[in-house]
Amino acid sequence: NAGVTQTPKFRVLKTGQSMTLLCAQDMNHEYMYWYRQDPGMGLRLIHYSVGEGTTAKGEVPDGYNVSRLKKQNFLLGLESAAPSQTSVYFCASSYPQEQFFGPGTRLTVL
Amino acid sequence: GQQLNQSPQSMFIQEGEDVSMNCTSSSIFNTWLWYKQDPGEGPVLLIALYKAGELTSNGRLTAQFGITRKDSFLNISASIPSDVGIYFCAGQLSGSNYKLTFGKGTLLTVNP
Repeated sequence: NAGVTQTPKFRVLKTGQSMTLLCAQDMNHEYMYWYRQDPGMGLRLIHYSVGEGTTAKGEVPDGYNVSRLKKQNFLLGLESAAPSQTSVYFCASSYPQEQFFGPGTRLTVL
Repeated sequence: GQQLNQSPQSMFIQEGEDVSMNCTSSSIFNTWLWYKQDPGEGPVLLIALYKAGELTSNGRLTAQFGITRKDSFLNISASIPSDVGIYFCAGQLSGSNYKLTFGKGTLLTVNP
């Protein structure tokens, strides 16, 4: 099993551009999460999903949208990227208490 | 939002020494998890705790779920160079849809 995978691994955007980060899990987990990690801030929850077709806001949802059309995939979208969204983004899945993380996407917004 | 106070922020130790770190909160948690993150990687689950007072080991790692349910401790015995990394505690509140609240991490450096 691959576990939790994320694409892309790295991305550089210009301010105002849009992009989608893809998270996939092959563990048949119901719950999926998107976090961002910034120096000195730890991991902060952006959005999460408790099952296919559901999404909910986390601690820092502004500027992001998500979709969970298939149980195994959780997409994170940035409609108009801002420099404040420069960060490392992690996806996780769980069934239900223990969360397993992907390798991360390092995003830089210029 | 909820906050976890994790300490120490960083530790620099000699190989072979034992290490202790802890997390405290003003809230009661029903699950405590401990993760390790290597540079450039995602966090990896080390130990999960589900009951107050529970003591669980994973090799040289031992973690405890505090009796008050507001704290947790992680000990590493006989540290080795590959223990280097950032250790995070995380807690789950009852009724939170299994969302985790993370501490800010303890950076561990082991001098060979």
